[in-house]
Amino acid sequence: DTAVSQTPKYLVTQMGNDKSIKCEQNLGHDTMYWYKQDSKKFLKIMFSYNNKELIINETVPNRFSPKSPDKAHLNLHINSLELGDSAVYFCASSQVGFSGNTIYFGEGSWLTVV
Amino acid sequence: QKEVEQNSGPLSVPEGAIASLNCTYSDRGSQSFFWYRQYSGKSPELIMSIYSNGDKEDGRFTAQLNKASQYVSLLIRDSQPSDSATYLCAVNRPGTYKYIFGTGTRLKVLA
Repeated sequence: DTAVSQTPKYLVTQMGNDKSIKCEQNLGHDTMYWYKQDSKKFLKIMFSYNNKELIINETVPNRFSPKSPDKAHLNLHINSLELGDSAVYFCASSQVGFSGNTIYFGEGSWLTVV
Repeated sequence: QKEVEQNSGPLSVPEGAIASLNCTYSDRGSQSFFWYRQYSGKSPELIMSIYSNGDKEDGRFTAQLNKASQYVSLLIRDSQPSDSATYLCAVNRPGTYKYIFGTGTRLKVLA
């Protein structure tokens, strides 16, 4: 039973298209994240939601829009895809409130823009 | 200065040797420290977390934390080829939701 699951795992699409990635966690965590990992393996935070409220919004183009219908789900919609958007997108969750809580990752969504 | 810095490697060690991975961080308020292992094409998985100065051991892995010097390290004893992966260091400041990752160190254990 996967703790953090995201779909699709692989996505190949053309420039200019709009696509969405969905994420669900069954850990009961309050906080969910989207991270982007580039070809150099750098994991950079994009967004974070706590109990459906946006709490982290890094310098990400407006073409990226997260949505959290409830605390177990966090989706990522990307408009007008560009070549530079090609990366692996990881959804994650944690229970923040005190030190010692681990962040758990989904399996990743490999996005290729052609 | 990057918030979390790691040597990108690759760090090559022979099988059975000790692999030593290092990480420095800039935020003195960080209190939680994590080591993740990431195999190629997979997601990061937690190896160890450490919160207090000193050493913490778990099987073949030992995490070492020195908050005064702002570094955290991971030792892997009796390295195996299956340990070959990228190791990511992450830090978190209490009360914040941000986990900051380093760029990772690629470890190669040679059989």
